[in-house]
Amino acid sequence: NAGVTQTPKFQVLKTGQSMTLQCAQDMNHEYMSWYRQDPGMGLRLIHYSVGAGITDQGEVPNGYNVSRSTTEDFPLRLLSAAPSQTSVYFCASRGQGRWGYTFGSGTRLTVV
Amino acid sequence: QQQVKQSPQSLIVQKGGISIINCAYENTAFDYFPWYQQFPGKGPALLIAIRPDVSEKKEGRFTISFNKSAKQFSLHIMDSQPGDSATYFCAAKGGSARQLTFGSGTQLTVLP
Repeated sequence: NAGVTQTPKFQVLKTGQSMTLQCAQDMNHEYMSWYRQDPGMGLRLIHYSVGAGITDQGEVPNGYNVSRSTTEDFPLRLLSAAPSQTSVYFCASRGQGRWGYTFGSGTRLTVV
Repeated sequence: QQQVKQSPQSLIVQKGGISIINCAYENTAFDYFPWYQQFPGKGPALLIAIRPDVSEKKEGRFTISFNKSAKQFSLHIMDSQPGDSATYFCAAKGGSARQLTFGSGTQLTVLP
């Protein structure tokens, strides 16, 4: 039981490049979320999904896209990377009727 | 708008002492209040959580105290140990998005 798996663990991008951060969970959880963590700001919600085919914006969605074609996968796409998107990104999931979220180990992204 | 305010930003405690971290929230629609523990290079992990219909919850050395009228809740770590050294985040779930809103985090250092 792997839980929530995020890839890659580290990534360096040049300004303007695009990339996809991968997130997969094997717990059959309906709810999945993407957060970014910046020093002194806690974790801020980017996008979330309440089930396959359903996504919605969080607090800081600009510059990011998501899709949820399967229950297991919830990729986060950076359309045109900017230095302000340098951050640590966490994916999380929880099951229907459960309260606790399980987090992945994160992707550290640097945009130069 | 920071809906969950956490203090202090950092905390240093001697081994065996009591660590106290405080959070205040604004949105009365929040109905679930978890605390997460994060070690360097890892994702946050659920430590303990409370719902607003109780005033206190204890799990081992960790206790949440909840004051609904003051819209405040706190984490108490009794007999703090060096292994408790980590960053702690309070959070609240509820509102229209039904997602977690995090505090800014507290870096706890327990001296041996």
